[in-house]
This record gives sequence, structure tokens and C-alpha cells, in this order.
Amino acid sequence: DADVTQTPRNRITKTGKRIMLECSQTKGHDRMYWYRQDPGLGLRLIYYSFDVKDINKGEISDGYSVSRQAQAKFSLSLESAIPNQTALYFCATSDWKGQGSTGELFFGEGSRLTVL
Amino acid sequence: AQKVTQAQTEISVVEKEDVTLDCVYETRDTTYYLFWYKQPPSGELVFLIRRNSFDEQNEISGRYSWNFQKSTSSFNFTITASQVVDSAVYFCALSAPDFNKFYFGSGTKLNVKP
Repeated sequence: DADVTQTPRNRITKTGKRIMLECSQTKGHDRMYWYRQDPGLGLRLIYYSFDVKDINKGEISDGYSVSRQAQAKFSLSLESAIPNQTALYFCATSDWKGQGSTGELFFGEGSRLTVL
Repeated sequence: AQKVTQAQTEISVVEKEDVTLDCVYETRDTTYYLFWYKQPPSGELVFLIRRNSFDEQNEISGRYSWNFQKSTSSFNFTITASQVVDSAVYFCALSAPDFNKFYFGSGTKLNVKP
């Protein structure tokens, strides 16, 4: 089983609908991230969380919200989806705790969202 | 501000050719970390390498090598004797000042033809 699991993997929805993308991890990492990937734009940070009580906006947080329900769970919500939110969404975790950590991001398999 | 530029949008080579993917970064922090990730057609993101700003030593791992030059703010990735399985999108990323945020380039799509 994947260490970082995203659900759903694919979703087609209509404009104005509320959508939640869920992420759960078994790596025991404190840090979790949501990224969005668009062709030619790379990965852009939507939100990140360093622990259950810590939520931070990334560079493109407008139109999105998140919830850190537990150390292992970090959900991304689109309250009212619009077509330009059609993208591939990635959840990631990081083990950074100082020296000795690799600091790398561990990604889920991605959730492809299409908003019609 | 932190920024990563991958000017090569797409590169096509024939199998067994060497290919270099360019990455130029911007940061005012003295401590930072650079990464390369691979995204094969299946879509997952695979970690390839991490480099910290204090270590300019180049690294080789099989057919892969990385050239880190602080003087030109570059962290280039070379694949020697490319193979079809190397076809993927490759992302360069910067994390600074700590591993709080990661800034990704727009990616370079590598097509290796048989």
C-alpha cells in the first residue's frame, strides 16, 4: 500500500459543486502539503501544515480550504468548484525535523479533478 | 523571493544520447536545498536527489549526474546514454530557508526515442 494515499484518484464535477480531496499518510510525518499541477506551470503550493494546529496558506490558496483532522490526515476542499480549478492535485508529506532528516517530499499518486 | 527556472520546456533525444536538463534558481538565503524529481507518464513523483547549499560537490548515480554551481545558481542534471525509460517530466525544486516550503520549476519534458 502507498505511504501517502489520495482519494479520489479521479473526479469529474460541475461548476459550483463542493469537492473534497482527502489525503492520509502512514509515514508518521508532521508536515503535509497540497500542491496543484498544471501543464507548463509545475507544482504550485496551495496549503501546508506542520502539525494539527498549524495551517498555512501557500501561493494559490484562493478558492481552497483545508482541514488537518489528525497528524495522518489532511483534506483539501473546493467550496464552489470552477473550471479553472481543473488540475492534478498532489498531497505530500515531509519528514523534516532538523539535522538527520532527508527533507524530501513524499508524494501521493495524485487526484485528477475536472470541473465542467 | 524564491524562484526556480527550467527554461527547457521539452527536449527530444534519441536513445543512447546524453542529455542535460537545466535548472537555475534564485534565493537570498544562504542555506537552501535543491532537489530533482521525476514524473514518469504514470504520473507519480519520484525523488531523485537532494543537495544542500554548502555542498557543491557533484554527484553521480549510475547514468545520472548532477552539477551544482553556486556561482551561476544552477543545478543541472545530466543523463548519460539515455534510455526510453528516462522519458518523463523532470522537476527541479528549491527549499529555503529551511524545509518549510518547496518551490518547483515548471518542469522539462524529456522524450527519449528508440
